[in-house]
Amino acid sequence: KAGVTQTPRYLIKTRGQQVTLSCSPISGHRSVSWYQQTPGQGLQFLFEYFSETQRNKGNFPGRFSGRQFSNSRSEMNVSTLELGDSALYLCASSLVPGINEKLFFGSGTQLSVL
Amino acid sequence: QKEVEQNSGPLSVPEGAIASLNCTYSDRGSQSFFWYRQYSGKSPELIMFIYSNGDKEDGRFTAQLNKASQYVSLLIRDSQPSDSATYLCAGLMNTGFQKLVFGTGTRLLVSP
Repeated sequence: KAGVTQTPRYLIKTRGQQVTLSCSPISGHRSVSWYQQTPGQGLQFLFEYFSETQRNKGNFPGRFSGRQFSNSRSEMNVSTLELGDSALYLCASSLVPGINEKLFFGSGTQLSVL
Repeated sequence: QKEVEQNSGPLSVPEGAIASLNCTYSDRGSQSFFWYRQYSGKSPELIMFIYSNGDKEDGRFTAQLNKASQYVSLLIRDSQPSDSATYLCAGLMNTGFQKLVFGTGTRLLVSP
C-alpha cells in the first residue's frame, strides 16, 4: 500500500510569491491534516480536512489556506510568501477522524523563501 | 506553559542500555498519545501509540501513560545506534478533530 505522497519535495520561492503544495493520502484514508515544522517552533498544526470540509484550523494567518477534493487529495496554498514561511510542510492522513485514529505522515515539502 | 513538553536533550545512552524518554501534557482533554521517531531530514514515523492508562509493549518499545499525572513515557530496551533520532511525543485532543499537539522532541544518541 502506498504511503502519503507529497509533491513537490523541494520548492524555492521568493518573497511575495504564492505556492501550492499537494498531498495524496494513503488509499482509503479520508482525513488529511497539514503541519508546519521549523527548527524553532517544532511541528505546528495548520488545518485538517475530512469529506472536503475544513474541520479545524491552527493559529496561522489567512495567507495559509487549503482544500480537499472528492478523492481525498488535498492541497494547501500559501500566498504572499514571507521569509518566515520557510519550513518543512508535512501532510498526514488517517482513515477517519477520531481519537483512536493514527496519523501517518508523508515525506514533506521543504519550502525555502528567499 | 506548552501543551506538550519534552526535554530537548540530547539524551545519550550506550548501546544495549534502556533509553527513557519522557513527556508531560497540560490539557486533560488529551485522550490519545503517540510517539514518533524522526531521523534528520526525514518525516516523522509512528512507532507507538497509547490510549489507556498503563503500559503498552511492542518489541523493544514500551509506552507508559499516566493520565492522573499527565505523563507519558517511552522506554527503548537494548538501544541500538540506529535508534539515534529525535523522538516526538504528541497528544490528540478529544475534540473530534484530528489535531495532534506535538512536543518539541527529545534527541536520543546511542553510542556504540
